[in-house]
Amino acid sequence: QLQLQESRPGLVKPSETLSLTCSVSGGSISSGTYYWGWIRQPPGKGLEWIGLIYSTGSSFYNPFLKSRLNISVDTSKDQFSLKLTSVTASDTAIYYCARLSMDCGDTSCSFSAYDLWGQGTMVTVSS
Amino acid sequence: QSVLTQPPSVSGAPGQRVTISCTGTSINIGAGFDVNWYQQLPGTAPKLLISGNNNRPSGVPDRFSGSRSGTSASLVITGLQADDEADYFCQSYDRGLTGSVFGGGTKLTVL
Repeated sequence: QLQLQESRPGLVKPSETLSLTCSVSGGSISSGTYYWGWIRQPPGKGLEWIGLIYSTGSSFYNPFLKSRLNISVDTSKDQFSLKLTSVTASDTAIYYCARLSMDCGDTSCSFSAYDLWGQGTMVTVSS
Repeated sequence: QSVLTQPPSVSGAPGQRVTISCTGTSINIGAGFDVNWYQQLPGTAPKLLISGNNNRPSGVPDRFSGSRSGTSASLVITGLQADDEADYFCQSYDRGLTGSVFGGGTKLTVL
């Protein structure tokens, strides 16, 4: 069955760029009506939405992160990636990739739920 | 501070019923956007529990149910079991953010 797996960058220095990749296995990132997203969870805290991307490259970003964020997709590798620039300690978190399903009617689609998640990868920002 | 408001904690004895609330505003839940619920067991990734306000994915017991009314939603767990002990998060869509929003999470303790 379909599985998501985040890469493991581990430690990132303040002011540098955080790069993460989510690999989709057991299926194609281009099949079905799904967006692919990033969500993070600071230690001991709640979930924060980072952004979404479709296989065509159409994307949505959290406006509070937008100036530092880039999400891309590589359909040939069934991967999507996140780059967050100028990181600080407040970017320390578990980063999850997830699949967002869509509800589609005759003429339009709407976002549904995050129905599949990666196991998460801990990213620490520290010098 | 999370866009959707949940109580930090709830508790109940085995076999009892608990309710977890999720309060939003007129630009998310109140705008008619669906609410989803996720269960996060300790040390694991969140798992979809309820989608579209009150739909259970395959494999989720019918002890779990959801509802939405106005600017709020609720998750009800009946027949509490020890392995229900987890964090529970609500999630919806927000017009202002133009994206997903989550509640701060509620820690369920089974006494």
